[in-house]
Amino acid sequence: EAGVTQFPSHSVIEKGQTVTLRCDPISGHDNLYWYRRVMGKEIKFLLHFVKESKQDESGMPNNRFLAERTGGTYSTLKVQPAELEDSGVYFCASSQDVRQGGTYEQYFGPGTRLTVT
Amino acid sequence: AQSVTQPDIHITVSEGASLELRCNYSYGATPYLFWYVQSPGQGLQLLLKYFSGDTLVQGIKGFEAEFKRSQSSFNLRKPSVHWSDAAEYFCAACPYGGATNKLIFGTGTLLAVQP
Repeated sequence: EAGVTQFPSHSVIEKGQTVTLRCDPISGHDNLYWYRRVMGKEIKFLLHFVKESKQDESGMPNNRFLAERTGGTYSTLKVQPAELEDSGVYFCASSQDVRQGGTYEQYFGPGTRLTVT
Repeated sequence: AQSVTQPDIHITVSEGASLELRCNYSYGATPYLFWYVQSPGQGLQLLLKYFSGDTLVQGIKGFEAEFKRSQSSFNLRKPSVHWSDAAEYFCAACPYGGATNKLIFGTGTLLAVQP
């Protein structure tokens, strides 16, 4: 079974540009999460999808960040326009609905390292 | 506020020595607790988890963790460290019964293993 995949693995963009990160969760996982780790800090929650609906977006830093999950499958996280402080590693995770036999375990992708110059 | 604390930013141990990584949480009720590991160039891998029941939980790669309610701790241990254990370790908590299952992470502990 394929794990969580993320694309690209690295992205270097200039301030003011737009970047779109993609996450493909484990097949059948209704829950999809985005997290971010800024250098030297802890991994922080950004938002949580249940299928295509946003369950919790309390961690989104500002309106320059837009997350979508069309059809409840893969998700994209767009940063527009990017700022220097957006640099970091963006992780995606997925989990199975507990009502469908899942637990609270989240399975993480390898992350996308974003550098804004 | 809910938080997870890993007091040790960086630890160095000798190969074959025992290891204990500390984790404390601050929650109103006992959360679900996890340890993840991130090896260089890899994603986060779940080592073990605690939901309820036996307070000593076994994980992969020979790791174990003990939940101590009185100390609000969930320390990770390994009796004999291998060079391949060099990685960054994250403790995380998920509030029990919350509307969302978001994880709250500690800042991580970077483990170096000396030959």
